[in-house]
Amino acid sequence: RKEVEQDPGPFNVPEGATVAFNCTYSNSASQSFFWYRQDCRKEPKLLMSVYSSGNEDGRFTAQLNRASQYISLLIRDSKLSDSATYLCPMNRDDKIIFGKGTRLHILP
Amino acid sequence: GAVVSQHPSRVICKSGTSVKIECRSLDFQATTMFWYRQFPKQSLMLMATSNEGSKATYEQGVEKDKFLINHASLTLSTLTVTSAHPEDSSFYICSAREGLAQETQYFGPGTRLLVL
Repeated sequence: RKEVEQDPGPFNVPEGATVAFNCTYSNSASQSFFWYRQDCRKEPKLLMSVYSSGNEDGRFTAQLNRASQYISLLIRDSKLSDSATYLCPMNRDDKIIFGKGTRLHILP
Repeated sequence: GAVVSQHPSRVICKSGTSVKIECRSLDFQATTMFWYRQFPKQSLMLMATSNEGSKATYEQGVEKDKFLINHASLTLSTLTVTSAHPEDSSFYICSAREGLAQETQYFGPGTRLLVL
């Protein structure tokens, strides 16, 4: 099983809609979880950390499901600027490992 | 958030030459820095982990003699691609972490390497 699995997409979503995607992880010992976004030909940028109780930052809501070993990201009222690849890196032996990410296209 | 810089942002070189990429943490001391490589439409692949003052730990399949990493200070790590070949052309990204494994990694803007 891959360490991080995400639906690669692309998710084509009209502007203003709500979109959600998950990320499953194989290491049950993972303690810290994050969502990053990466724009085309740019470096990843931290979007938000994911806390056990779930957390919200504006239009973005992150959830953690330890029992099923996945984290989720919900984006409300999507904007054109939300178009990016969303990454959920996982810890392995003190290192952060990335999957391919989920591509999101917000359509005008 | 914390700032990490990389230099140069892009480099074009001839096959057989060596290229050095610098990664600096500008407003914090990075005990650990990571080097990633990303080919087009692929995921970021971790190449190596470097801790200040010690030898880098390379991921399986990454040649340590080809990709030389030096982490001489808490704010600077360098990656040298020795005898670069066209297949080394890629997007090289460093990241830095201040302390514990649970802390956030901050990424540099990346370096685009094109080997002719």
